[in-house]
Amino acid sequence: QVQLQESGPGLVKPSGTLSLTCVVSGGSVSSSNWWSWVRQPPGKGLEWIGEINDSGSANYNPSLNYRVTISVDKSKNHFSLTLTSVTAADTAIYYCARDDYGGNTNAFDLWGLGTMVTVSS
Amino acid sequence: EIVLTQSPATLSLSPGERATLSCRASQSVSKYLAWYQQKPGQSPRLLIHDASKRASGIPARFSGSGSGTDFTLTISSLEPEDFAVYYCQQRFNWPPWTFGQGTKVEI
Repeated sequence: QVQLQESGPGLVKPSGTLSLTCVVSGGSVSSSNWWSWVRQPPGKGLEWIGEINDSGSANYNPSLNYRVTISVDKSKNHFSLTLTSVTAADTAIYYCARDDYGGNTNAFDLWGLGTMVTVSS
Repeated sequence: EIVLTQSPATLSLSPGERATLSCRASQSVSKYLAWYQQKPGQSPRLLIHDASKRASGIPARFSGSGSGTDFTLTISSLEPEDFAVYYCQQRFNWPPWTFGQGTKVEI
């Protein structure tokens, strides 16, 4: 079955750039889905960061718009998140998720396990 | 941005009891609301989509209802594994997709 796996550095320095990748296994990033990033600060709720489809069309949370970029690499079957100018407020568990927009569920029907990223010097 | 407000923040119940969780939207989202369950140390899991449709493999004790601005997630008889945090998410208008702040169901 399709699985998602996040990877990337667990520690990023303040003012630096956070970069994460989500590998899609058992399926294709070119399927008719959107692919999202969601984050969760320790002990807090869920925040949608942004999404991309296999054509490279992306949408972002306006609260992060000027700091975030999401890209897709169909040859590697993965999609990536880049967040610039990070601060301690960006410390969170970062999840990738499959968005079944317009499909059977019209919801985030598959999630990765998440990866913890800490912003600290 | 559509704001979702969940209540109560915490629900203290015993196994076998009925749980009723509320999610209110700042504007109508029609039927386009999803519910997720998150257990400690785990990623969220889709429970309900389109307000009332159970996702694949979700037990029948979970049910969703509502439309417009007011939605309810009901767990008819709590099992030990149901004690978790539950989030609603609107799927009507974006960006951004928004989540409620969560309701913790505790023993």
